Amino acid sequence: GEDVEQSLFLSVREGDSSVINCTYTDSSSTYLYWYKQEPGAGLQLLTYIFSNMDMKQDQRLTVLLNKKDKHLSLRIADTQTGDSAIYFCAESAPNSGYALNFGKGTSLLVTP
Amino acid sequence: ETGVTQTPRHLVMGMTNKKSLKCEQHLGHNAMYWYKQSAKKPLELMFVYSLEERVENNSVPSRFSPECPNSSHLFLHLHTLQPEDSALYLCASSQGGTISGNTIYFGEGSWLTVV
Repeated sequence: GEDVEQSLFLSVREGDSSVINCTYTDSSSTYLYWYKQEPGAGLQLLTYIFSNMDMKQDQRLTVLLNKKDKHLSLRIADTQTGDSAIYFCAESAPNSGYALNFGKGTSLLVTP
Repeated sequence: ETGVTQTPRHLVMGMTNKKSLKCEQHLGHNAMYWYKQSAKKPLELMFVYSLEERVENNSVPSRFSPECPNSSHLFLHLHTLQPEDSALYLCASSQGGTISGNTIYFGEGSWLTVV
């Protein structure tokens, strides 16, 4: 299937901004998602963006989409220790009405 | 609380056992999913049910058998599993397919260990 790539690890200091990057290969993806997984828990939807948008902001979260480069990023402003988790990028799969293609996840560690 | 409840949260089973994972969604959705999450691998979609009909089956071994008796409940029956099947099994639901931008909501997962 198509690939969704993410860096595996990111460490930031509390109060700084975090930027988690994702690249995907399927140019026909219609929706792109960010999910958060805290230890021992399931995936929690954070936000999603439609492919004809290039930016979406929701409180501390900013999603940027560069469709030409197939690059998606999630910026977390004023990162807190509670933001430490694994963040998954996912794309809707046009060859399937239902599936999402997920990346392997980026582990975000926020240090005091 | 996401509206998708999975039981049990933890399961240890032998390779000759038969067990089942249960999922219930309280969101009024019409599609339900099983995903497998293994260490250092992307989430793998196993099965999708829409309106209680299986619409996707991604080459999953027959030792995994799904059942969707109604739009609110989904089971994963397990039989003669292998140690490499140990993983976190995530249930999810949505109202319609993701191609239309409908979001998928996940349960907390069932941790399965096969010994």
